[in-house]
Amino acid sequence: NAGVTQTPKFRVLKTGQSMTLLCAQDMNHEYMYWYRQDPGMGLRLIHYSVGEGTTAKGEVPDGYNVSRLKKQNFLLGLESAAPSQTSVYFCASTRWTSANTGELFFGEGSRLTVL
Amino acid sequence: KQEVTQIPAALSVPEGENLVLNCSFTDSAIYNLQWFRQDPGKGLTSLLLIQSSQREQTSGRLNASLDKSSGRSTLYIAASQPGDSATYLCAVCRGYSTLTFGKGTMLLVSP
Repeated sequence: NAGVTQTPKFRVLKTGQSMTLLCAQDMNHEYMYWYRQDPGMGLRLIHYSVGEGTTAKGEVPDGYNVSRLKKQNFLLGLESAAPSQTSVYFCASTRWTSANTGELFFGEGSRLTVL
Repeated sequence: KQEVTQIPAALSVPEGENLVLNCSFTDSAIYNLQWFRQDPGKGLTSLLLIQSSQREQTSGRLNASLDKSSGRSTLYIAASQPGDSATYLCAVCRGYSTLTFGKGTMLLVSP
């Protein structure tokens, strides 16, 4: 089982460059999330999606955009990267039903450095 | 705003010890609480999920309890092994967009 797959795993950018992180899940989950993890800050929610074609802002959305054109994919974009966006980014997915209140499955992470 | 605190921040024990990790939260109106394990450079792996109506969940040597009224959860690890060394995070869920993580307890089990 692939579960949640993130690409790329590592990337170095210069300030002002743009890039897209891809998250793919094969569990037919409706809900997908992008988090960033920073030392001393824990995990913070950037954006999330409750289904194909829908996205919403999380706790720290500034400087990021997202798209969910297909149910299985959730893309995180940085239009103009800043050093403050140096972080480890995690994608997660889940299914919410009356019987299952949201066990989260995470990808392996994407480590981004902005110089 | 929900705040989640994990104590201790780091813990070092010899192999074979039973140990308890603590998680406290400020708002008791939750749907569930999850415990995760994170190995260095890796993603989070779900260990146990406790629904708000449940008191505890068990998986192998792990047992997690939940006391909503006091805003506390504990993760009990029996007969610890070096392979248990990792960071353990708890996360409290109030809805599909409101999952709040603690900063984790870094556990080192020495042979």
